[in-house]
Amino acid sequence: DQQVKQNSPSLSVQEGRISILNCDYTNSMFDYFLWYKKYPAEGPTFLISISSIKDKNEDGRFTVFLNKSAKHLSLHIVPSQPGDSAVYFCAASGGTRWYGGSQGNLIFGKGTKLSVKP
Amino acid sequence: GAGVSQTPSNKVTEKGKYVELRCDPISGHTALYWYRQSLGQGPEFLIYFQGTGAADDSGLPNDRFFAVRPEGSVSTLKIQRTERGDSAVYLCASSSAVAPNTGELFFGEGSRLTVL
Repeated sequence: DQQVKQNSPSLSVQEGRISILNCDYTNSMFDYFLWYKKYPAEGPTFLISISSIKDKNEDGRFTVFLNKSAKHLSLHIVPSQPGDSAVYFCAASGGTRWYGGSQGNLIFGKGTKLSVKP
Repeated sequence: GAGVSQTPSNKVTEKGKYVELRCDPISGHTALYWYRQSLGQGPEFLIYFQGTGAADDSGLPNDRFFAVRPEGSVSTLKIQRTERGDSAVYLCASSSAVAPNTGELFFGEGSRLTVL
């Protein structure tokens, strides 16, 4: 049973518009959430994260929103650029509650392929 | 090197053969992880090392899979009696003990394993 779900396998947006990628989770013990970006033939690279004690984290064009009551988070990219075209993975971690000092494993969603058209 | 290095980048083998995949983490990173990514899926956790010891091997699918990190740096993932279902990209990642609990991992480019 998937604990982290990305229900949209793909998303296409026009350059300059907003991209919104969604993620739902089921385990209330998750206390840290991350977004990774992956280009073909490369490993995932960290993009942005958010602790469960916050509801928003912003880094340049990227903002992550967390709604704990709905167990939902989203990644907003604005303005979208063609170079943002990649697969985006949502991931969750149980942090110190799992390993008491050093995080263990991340649970990933299946990813959403974003295509930004010029 | 500056990043996580994995070798080989591609490995084609026959069903039943033994395979070793190597990971060289970022220098100084004490935590090392192995993930497996099958087609159309997200990375799936296999095993996590803190130093030389496996802190969590709960993701290893069965006893054909084994991983070592004898000196707390380079790690080898070993797969015995490979099966076609083992075909996937095997990703290695490392993280610094300076930033625990944040979940930020640095991934290598992966080793693509194809079992014929």
